[in-house]
Amino acid sequence: DIQMTQSPSSVSASVGDRITITCRASQDINNWLAWYQQKPGTAPKVLIFAASNLQSGVPSRFSGSGSGTEFTLTIRSLQPEDFATYYCQQTNSLPYTFGQGTKLEIK
Amino acid sequence: EEQLVQSGAEVKKPGESLKISCKGSGYSFIDYWIGWVRQVPGKGLEWMGIIYPGDSDTKYSPSFQGQVTISADKSVSTAYLQWTSLKASDTAIYYCARHRLGLGIDFWGQGTLVTVSS
Repeated sequence: DIQMTQSPSSVSASVGDRITITCRASQDINNWLAWYQQKPGTAPKVLIFAASNLQSGVPSRFSGSGSGTEFTLTIRSLQPEDFATYYCQQTNSLPYTFGQGTKLEIK
Repeated sequence: EEQLVQSGAEVKKPGESLKISCKGSGYSFIDYWIGWVRQVPGKGLEWMGIIYPGDSDTKYSPSFQGQVTISADKSVSTAYLQWTSLKASDTAIYYCARHRLGLGIDFWGQGTLVTVSS
């Protein structure tokens, strides 16, 4: 299985800040990576697919980049509704493994 | 509206069997893979496996192969996740999710909480 490692595991930030979350794959996954946001008590929601493609309806302050084994999710100008847990998932080969998650908390 | 609606919460005893469901609507159910994802309360997401309802082609994560059975009935646009003998460690929220191979999940069901306790 491909292992996905996210960093940091948690981050504190303020409204208006810019943050970056990194996801590393244990082998080359081309650009087959998705990012999801999960708020407590709710199902995850897709933000980004194929590393840098914004899902319809997702605000443009979210962006993704990377290829190969290293990827980033950037959120610029954090809004109160962005405080949640974020997961990456490789979609290159089955099983489609997830990172362990990054919890974004209000400072 | 495209959606996946899952069956309700379950409380079971160790050793019991269980089948939970995920009904798709608002789209052609047979044309998309449906997968299952486990989340132990307070923990991360674990990908379990997927099924293509059009021909019932099924693929499992090695971590879940032999532990669960994924199936689908295209006549009622419903996918299923089944256990024959539950363990306490199966306690979790189970999400179904529509997959686009190579692109990941585009939307999720609301989740089904399964609690296994004596």
